[in-house]
Amino acid sequence: NAGVTQTPKFRVLKTGQSMTLLCAQDMNHEYMYWYRQDPGMGLRLIHYSVGEGTTAKGEVPDGYNVSRLKKQNFLLGLESAAPSQTSVYFCASKIYPNEQFFGPGTRLTVL
Amino acid sequence: SQQGEEDPQALSIQEGENATMNCSYKTSINNLQWYRQNSGRGLVHLILIRSNEREKHSGRLRVTLDTSKKSSSLLITASRAADTASYFCATDAIGNTPLVFGKGTRLSVIA
Repeated sequence: NAGVTQTPKFRVLKTGQSMTLLCAQDMNHEYMYWYRQDPGMGLRLIHYSVGEGTTAKGEVPDGYNVSRLKKQNFLLGLESAAPSQTSVYFCASKIYPNEQFFGPGTRLTVL
Repeated sequence: SQQGEEDPQALSIQEGENATMNCSYKTSINNLQWYRQNSGRGLVHLILIRSNEREKHSGRLRVTLDTSKKSSSLLITASRAADTASYFCATDAIGNTPLVFGKGTRLSVIA
């Protein structure tokens, strides 16, 4: 099993550009999450999903959209990137109420 | 707002010593989880302790949970240089809400 994978690993955007981050898991997990991690801030939840076709807002959802069209994939979109969205993005999945499995992260820089 | 808060923020010890990290939280929980993050990598699950458990062991790891004080501790015995990482606690609150992560403890083990 590949576990949780994230695409791309690195990306540099200009302010105003859009992009989609892809998270894929092959463990048949119902729950999937998107976090961002900034220095000194720990992990902050952006959006999450409790099953195919569902999404919900987390702690810091503004400026992001998500979709869960297939159970194994969870997409995070930035419609108009801002420098404040420079961060490392982590995806995670799990079967409730067990532990979460994390992807390797996507390092995004917005100039 | 983050529920789990680790203490100390940073810890530096010599190889072979024990390392203790603490986590405090605010509301009732189903379980509490500890994760490790090596620099630039995704989080890796270490141990999960349920609300009706008081102590749990996994190899050189010992986790305690005191629900009356809303606190947990992670003890790493006989530390190694490879234990150098950030350690996060995460609380699974009652009500099927997403895990909430603390800001982490940065552990440095000096060989």
